[in-house]
Amino acid sequence: AQSVTQLGSHVSVSEGALVLLRCNYSSSVPPYLFWYVQYPNQGLQLLLKYTTGATLVKGINGFEAEFKKSETSFHLTKPSAHMSDAAEYFCAVLSGGYNKLIFGAGTRLAVHP
Amino acid sequence: DGGITQSPKYLFRKEGQNVTLSCEQNLNHDAMYWYRQDPGQGLRLIYYSQIVNDFQKGDIAEGYSVSREKKESFPLTVTSAQKNPTAFYLCASQGAGLAFSGANVLTFGAGSRLTVL
Repeated sequence: AQSVTQLGSHVSVSEGALVLLRCNYSSSVPPYLFWYVQYPNQGLQLLLKYTTGATLVKGINGFEAEFKKSETSFHLTKPSAHMSDAAEYFCAVLSGGYNKLIFGAGTRLAVHP
Repeated sequence: DGGITQSPKYLFRKEGQNVTLSCEQNLNHDAMYWYRQDPGQGLRLIYYSQIVNDFQKGDIAEGYSVSREKKESFPLTVTSAQKNPTAFYLCASQGAGLAFSGANVLTFGAGSRLTVL
């Protein structure tokens, strides 16, 4: 069965600093991986996705993630944090055979001046 | 613009009452989902439907019911049997397509926050 672990429920960075949000997955089949962002009292918006091909995936708002099969990881990064990046971020893996997404518990990112 | 509309945005319920949350999409998507979100627990799947007149239980279906009479609509009823219904509820839809095509992207509504008084 597929599962997702997000390390760190809260991450705090200074404006302009590197953002690193960690995600590890388990999957018995080649995984399809996603990062979503959620602003307060809103739905989730897709940041980026990995299905096949290039392991470094670029998304919206300057975010990118790298699929590392050997480490079963899909960490999300952004070189320079902006105040508007403050939100909750969810990593997800596609559940094989059911077209269902399995979500991690989420990481709340705080950006301070 | 195409999208998913959830209503109401906020809902208050007395214990013992059933309430229905609306979810409508105009994306022509076949699959629709209901998730429940609680702080620190991520999103948990309640019910999903891959096609009209068919739906399956997710991981936490007890105390909930759904219907899928139209492609565009997937209402969720929170019944009095749900012991802890206070949560943020998210509806999502998904277009058809094979997994490797990258079509398996969920589009979410803005959510409905249910509070039991």
